[in-house]
Amino acid sequence: SQKIEQNSEALNIQEGKTATLTCNYTNYSPAYLQWYRQDPGRGPVFLLLIRENEKEKRKERLKVTFDTTLKQSLFHITASQPADSATYLCALSGRAMRFGAGTRLTVKP
Amino acid sequence: GAGVSQSPRYKVAKRGQDVALRCDPISGHVSLFWYQQALGQGPEFLTYFQNEAQLDKSGLPSDRFFAERPEGSVSTLKIQRTQQEDSAVYLCASSLFEFRGRNTIYFGEGSWLTVV
Repeated sequence: SQKIEQNSEALNIQEGKTATLTCNYTNYSPAYLQWYRQDPGRGPVFLLLIRENEKEKRKERLKVTFDTTLKQSLFHITASQPADSATYLCALSGRAMRFGAGTRLTVKP
Repeated sequence: GAGVSQSPRYKVAKRGQDVALRCDPISGHVSLFWYQQALGQGPEFLTYFQNEAQLDKSGLPSDRFFAERPEGSVSTLKIQRTQQEDSAVYLCASSLFEFRGRNTIYFGEGSWLTVV
């Protein structure tokens, strides 16, 4: 069966460090992979999209990699700030966007 | 409107009661999605509309769940004879074009359903 796994339920890091979140999937061949941010009590907000033929995508302090051989995406936030604290969701394209369970990131000052 | 609007924001239903959740997508958006999100979990796909056509309802958990979008804009998710396991946040999302995976999807704030 198809699975999307985000390896850490929670990640705590110090302000200024780089946060790295992992998304692994099985039995999928997605053409696109997206990352979303979700704050408590709010709907998810789109951050970045990466195509299957792209290795890496950057946007400001965010970087996403997509390795279709390993079936893995890494999401990096550099120079992290307390305002980056949220749950981050990866989503894969198929007949609709399918989401992982998310990783809750806490950035401590 | 400026974003996806959902109502009611919060709903408490007694077990066995029917509920209807409304979604107003961003004006002109072709695609509309419903997701169910349990506490601590990611959104689980329920159903997808392209205009008024329901193209995928494979995620609806039982025949108690029904969704419609009769005029290709506003959508309603109806849950009949609610059960406690239906307690979750129901998220509506829309996208400008027909779904291709590369589209940005815009979510509403969700309707929080608690079945007691």
